[in-house]
Amino acid sequence: EDKVVQSPLSLVVHEGDTVTLNCSYEVTNFRSLLWYKQEKKAPTFLFMLTSSGIEKKSGRLSSILDKKELFSILNITATQTGDSAIYLCAPDSWGKFQFGAGTQVVVTP
Amino acid sequence: GAVVSQHPSWVICKSGTSVKIECRSLDFQATTMFWYRQFPKQSLMLMATSNEGSKATYEQGVEKDKFLINHASLTLSTLTVTSAHPEDSSFYICSARVPTSAIYEQYFGPGTRLTVT
Repeated sequence: EDKVVQSPLSLVVHEGDTVTLNCSYEVTNFRSLLWYKQEKKAPTFLFMLTSSGIEKKSGRLSSILDKKELFSILNITATQTGDSAIYLCAPDSWGKFQFGAGTQVVVTP
Repeated sequence: GAVVSQHPSWVICKSGTSVKIECRSLDFQATTMFWYRQFPKQSLMLMATSNEGSKATYEQGVEKDKFLINHASLTLSTLTVTSAHPEDSSFYICSARVPTSAIYEQYFGPGTRLTVT
């Protein structure tokens, strides 16, 4: 059975801290893994990862995929209150995304 | 980036009535659209895959006669919740697939919050 596990489920940090979010997966016919940020409405796209070991960066966010160990990490450095959200990972399996339960990040001033 | 819209953004209906939700890709053609449902504090659960010009593919446990999906054009898919009940109250989100070479990305609509009274 396919499985996507995100950890931690939630965390609270102070502005300026660095956070590391984990996503482990076991899915059939894996093609890629996506990260999304969800605030109050629908998720917004962050990254798509297809190759192991190649870090993708966008501003203070970065992500990397390990296809051998079946996990991905999303890092947020110098966090800001605007980073408060739920972060979802979604491996692409047979062309469909299976979302993890998400990690809720709360950044306090 | 690609833009996906949904209408309505919020709807309240009485138990037993039907509700139609529209999902449109505004600046690209989407051969495939997906419908998700999200209950409070839970993740997105895929309900069905909608392919233009053919029948939708439903995930296990999703009643196809209750959740009617029509993908009549490359820019529009509709989800109709028939004979809605309070337990159908949820956040419904569509996404559209953007074909980019052999790698696909999905862009999400803003979601529709359905409340059944």
